[in-house]
Amino acid sequence: DSGVTQTPKHLITATGQRVTLRCSPRSGDLSVYWYQQSLDQGLQFLIQYYNGEERAKGNILERFSAQQFPDLHSELNLSSLELGDSALYFCASSRQGSGNTIYFGEGSWLTVV
Amino acid sequence: GIQVEQSPPDLILQEGANSTLRCNFSDSVNNLQWFHQNPWGQLINLFYIPSGTKQNGRLSATTVATERYSLLYISSSQTTDSGVYFCAVERISNTGKLIFGQGTTLQVKP
Repeated sequence: DSGVTQTPKHLITATGQRVTLRCSPRSGDLSVYWYQQSLDQGLQFLIQYYNGEERAKGNILERFSAQQFPDLHSELNLSSLELGDSALYFCASSRQGSGNTIYFGEGSWLTVV
Repeated sequence: GIQVEQSPPDLILQEGANSTLRCNFSDSVNNLQWFHQNPWGQLINLFYIPSGTKQNGRLSATTVATERYSLLYISSSQTTDSGVYFCAVERISNTGKLIFGQGTTLQVKP
């Protein structure tokens, strides 16, 4: 158990819908990261927050957005879902913003039908 | 951006065999981690190893930062070692995000 909690673990939804994935980082971790893993793209960095502020952006679509709340939990919002958004979405956290171990949650399996 | 290349892409071993997985990266890093992704999709931290050598049971890892590569050694492999092994790096002076290689898929046969 990494200490990073993600919900839901599995989600099936229809095209055009919107979903929210939730992440609670390890206790004391200030930095939260979101990754997407699909068969054709591998593990892709989406976005990073540090102590409530966006710190880095990767290959995140405009239909996707995220935020980190004052209690440090984070949410990833995926809207206007397409079949190609089906993937495993990971949240990860670390103590600081860089140069330290990053721990991953168990992921949220999203299937868009 | 930084490139991370892992080799071999696929590996089949007989139980009890040893193996070495390699990770090459194209720029200086201040973080390098090895992960094992099990058949259920979980990403398990194996090592945080931006430089030097570490050992944990049958696994060990070495990173030679000046030559921009890292090695993961698996000794006396077991069927539970099967899965995908990822190397991920954080470029120096970057934000902390990890860039992943494409992974090595390991199958250990009984």
